[in-house]
Amino acid sequence: SDELTQPPSVSVSPGQTARITCSGDALPKKYAYWYQQKSGQAPVLVIYEDNKRPSGIPERFSGSSSGTMATLTISGAQVEDEADYYCYSTGSNGNHRVFGGGTKLTVL
Amino acid sequence: QVHLVESGGGVVQPGGSLRLSCAASGFTFNNHGMHWVRQAPGKGLEWVAIISYDGSNKNYADSVKGRFTISRDNSNNTLFLQMTGLSAEDTAVYYCSTEVVVIDATPLDYWGQGNLVTVSS
Repeated sequence: SDELTQPPSVSVSPGQTARITCSGDALPKKYAYWYQQKSGQAPVLVIYEDNKRPSGIPERFSGSSSGTMATLTISGAQVEDEADYYCYSTGSNGNHRVFGGGTKLTVL
Repeated sequence: QVHLVESGGGVVQPGGSLRLSCAASGFTFNNHGMHWVRQAPGKGLEWVAIISYDGSNKNYADSVKGRFTISRDNSNNTLFLQMTGLSAEDTAVYYCSTEVVVIDATPLDYWGQGNLVTVSS
C-alpha cells in the first residue's frame, strides 16, 4: 500500500518537543517530505529528503526516517508553529505521489 | 520572483466539466515537473496528478483517473487540468505546484494560491 498514516492531532505546551509520525510501506525506499499549512494558506516545505531543512526554516524543525516510519520533530515548539502538518512521498512504483492525512499541531 | 497563478475555477453542476489553468513565471517552467493537488473544505491535501517537464509522462490519482487530464504548454508557461464527470466529491481548492527539485543543495518547491472548484446543482 502507498498510504501514509499520521496521527490526527498532537498537542504540546510552548517550549516542549513535538513529534509527528508518518508511517508507510514505501518509506524504506522513498524520501519523506514534510509540509506545514496554516489556515487559508498554501503549504510550505519544512523538511525534504527525510531530514534536510530548507533555508529560512527554523532550526527547531528536524526530520528523521527509519524503516517504515518518518518523524517530524519540532524542538521547543512555539505558538506560531500551530498548523497542520503533512508528510508526502512517492508511491512505491515511482509514478504516484501521496500525502498523509495530516496532523493538527496545537501549541498551548 | 516566482508566481503560480491558478484560474478557471468556479461553480459547476454535477456531471459537468471545467478546465483549470496555472500560469507560471519567475522560473524556468519547462525544467520542472508539475502537480495538481487539491484540498476539500476542512480536509487534508490530496495529490491529483503529475506531468513531466516535457509533458511526455502523466500520472493520476485513482480518484480522478479517466476523468481528469493534465497537460502543459511550455511555450506559454501554463499548466492545465481538464476535469470532466465532476461530482460533489471533487469540490476542493485546487493548487498547482512544482515537483520538488534540489539544485545546489536548495530545494525548489513552488505553489499557487489555490483556486476553488465547487460542484453543486
